[in-house]
Amino acid sequence: DAKTTQPTSMDCAEGRAANLPCNHSTISGNEYVYWYRQIHSQGPQYIIHGLKNNETNEMASLIITEDRKSSTLILPHATLRDTAVYYCIVRAPESNTGKLIFGQGTTLQVKP
Amino acid sequence: DVKVTQSSRYLVKRTGEKVFLECVQDMDHENMFWYRQDPGLGLRLIYFSYDVKMKEKGDIPEGYSVSREKKERFSLILESASTNQTSMYLCASSESGGSDTQYFGPGTRLTVL
Repeated sequence: DAKTTQPTSMDCAEGRAANLPCNHSTISGNEYVYWYRQIHSQGPQYIIHGLKNNETNEMASLIITEDRKSSTLILPHATLRDTAVYYCIVRAPESNTGKLIFGQGTTLQVKP
Repeated sequence: DVKVTQSSRYLVKRTGEKVFLECVQDMDHENMFWYRQDPGLGLRLIYFSYDVKMKEKGDIPEGYSVSREKKERFSLILESASTNQTSMYLCASSESGGSDTQYFGPGTRLTVL
């Protein structure tokens, strides 16, 4: 699975959009980009995933660059409850190991 | 919505005790996983199962065993708990095929004294 690079921490004002970047320059053609988040002392929560096209769901939008070497997770109107560690993961479906590899992630602090 | 539940949020056990952690998912997923999470070490895979009665070792299976008698239930067993097994234990499930998204339970924080 390809390696990802994320900023260690970010701040965002409540009600504003939070844009979380992720670099994955060694991504392979069959690898998806997944985003999870983990609120303190809880299990990771799936947010969104994509392969090539931009994706949107009720939680967030995922923008993937045309060369697929980077992506941005967008929380359109951040709330205090969005304070969490956000993980960008790149992997191919049905990878033999089955496991998800969580890096250090980005700690997003949403401030009033 | 996918629901993955774990039997306990917090558990305190003594060294040498046999510990059972239960995980149940309600989405008919084929794959189930047990991870542990420790500060600075991220998530580490202990065991996973891709079908009933099937299991595969993950990265750190020593000191653990698993049981999958029914599709919806995946149990993690600590045969003889030790203090270095104090950790957050996370269960996840996913369906075979498609995007392979894993859905996690709330976690069990186990303390071994």
